[in-house]
Amino acid sequence: NAGVTQTPKFQVLKTGQSMTLQCAQDMNHNSMYWYRQDPGMGLRLIYYSASEGTTDKGEVPNGYNVSRLNKREFSLRLESAAPSQTSVYFCASSERTGGSSGANVLTFGAGSRLTVL
Amino acid sequence: AQKVTQAQTEISVVEKEDVTLDCVYETRDTTYYLFWYKQPPSGELVFLIRRNSFDEQNEISGRYSWNFQKSTSSFNFTITASQVVDSAVYFCALSEARFGSARQLTFGSGTQLTVLP
Repeated sequence: NAGVTQTPKFQVLKTGQSMTLQCAQDMNHNSMYWYRQDPGMGLRLIYYSASEGTTDKGEVPNGYNVSRLNKREFSLRLESAAPSQTSVYFCASSERTGGSSGANVLTFGAGSRLTVL
Repeated sequence: AQKVTQAQTEISVVEKEDVTLDCVYETRDTTYYLFWYKQPPSGELVFLIRRNSFDEQNEISGRYSWNFQKSTSSFNFTITASQVVDSAVYFCALSEARFGSARQLTFGSGTQLTVLP
């Protein structure tokens, strides 16, 4: 029962390099999310996918792209990394979409720590 | 716009003491959900509780209890007889229950709780 799996757990990049964070969930959840966590700022939503085939911007989408590859997988891509993107990234998923989706309980992955030099 | 404030950045207590983590929220909606998540040193966020805006009953789960007061827009979390394993960052979060919206979850900045032996 893996839940939400993120890879890699740690990554160091140089400014301008690109990389993709992978996320997979095995709970048959409809919705998936990418958050970033910075000291003193809680978690901020980057992008989300309410259901397979759809993606939408969150609070801080600039500099990122996402792909909902299938119902299980949701990847986050940094095309040209910047030091401001140094952060801990969390993928999450939830069961419901639509209706009272505000009631969704999120299941989180273990996080990916990214450092951009 | 919705907002969650956790004014206590860090709290340190000695084992067996009771501790209360404060959470104050702002929202214009009459229907919303409040959450608490725990982030232990391992990094993964763990769901603790969800409360909807129409249910102001306090809830107790073992050593954990939650006090929801709409009059003061607060959703405080108390740990009774704290233990070292309670050491973690605790996040309060707010979600507005809008149809079809999966993006409305707003996190507070978190409270780092340290329980000393």
